[in-house]
Amino acid sequence: QVQLVESGGGVVQPGRSLRLSCAASGFTFNAYGMDWVRQAPGKGLEWVADIWYDGSNKYYADSVKGRFTISRDNSKNMLYLQMNSLRAEDTAMFYCARVRPGTTHMLDSWGQGTLVTVSS
Amino acid sequence: QSVLTQPPSVSGAPGQRVTISCTGSSSNIGAGFDVHWYQQFPGTAPKLLIYGNSFRPSGVPDRFSGSKSGPSASLAITGLQAEDEADYYCQSYDSSLSGSVFGGGTKVTVV
Repeated sequence: QVQLVESGGGVVQPGRSLRLSCAASGFTFNAYGMDWVRQAPGKGLEWVADIWYDGSNKYYADSVKGRFTISRDNSKNMLYLQMNSLRAEDTAMFYCARVRPGTTHMLDSWGQGTLVTVSS
Repeated sequence: QSVLTQPPSVSGAPGQRVTISCTGSSSNIGAGFDVHWYQQFPGTAPKLLIYGNSFRPSGVPDRFSGSKSGPSASLAITGLQAEDEADYYCQSYDSSLSGSVFGGGTKVTVV
């Protein structure tokens, strides 16, 4: 079955960096686009970034553009989110999610999330 | 403020029908992009509930239905059950943002 497992979260000081990982299994990873979605404590869902199945195109929310970088390694079935210049408002649970091909960002499978806390 | 607007909360008695609205604009729902709905219980990841405006993934009870008209969409829950207490989010694509957008979420309470 489809499985997405995020890791790499933790407590980090403002201005520092963190890299999140998402290990995918149970499906043909290189056939699917992937997204990162975050959720601040007690708040709603916020789309963060999207990467095409082959990594050829990447898109970002304005709130993270220029600071975050989404990438993937199809040989390892891994998705990444490099987060630089972190701010307190980046504190959130970060989910990786699979995009169903041929749809407009339909996220049909989600990981359990990894918590990022930005605090001094 | 979210790009897509949802009511913060709705409530209903067991067995009743409740609806959740999701209002967008000409760059997202109104432009013809599909709307998807997700259900989220406290402390867990969201789960796809409705896709392509009105389709249910396998395993989702037919008590849940979705519709779309113009720049808005709706999620209906008929025969409300206690287990339906959760947060519900709509999602679409926005051409001006070149990315996905979510509604602010609606908490459904069974009273």
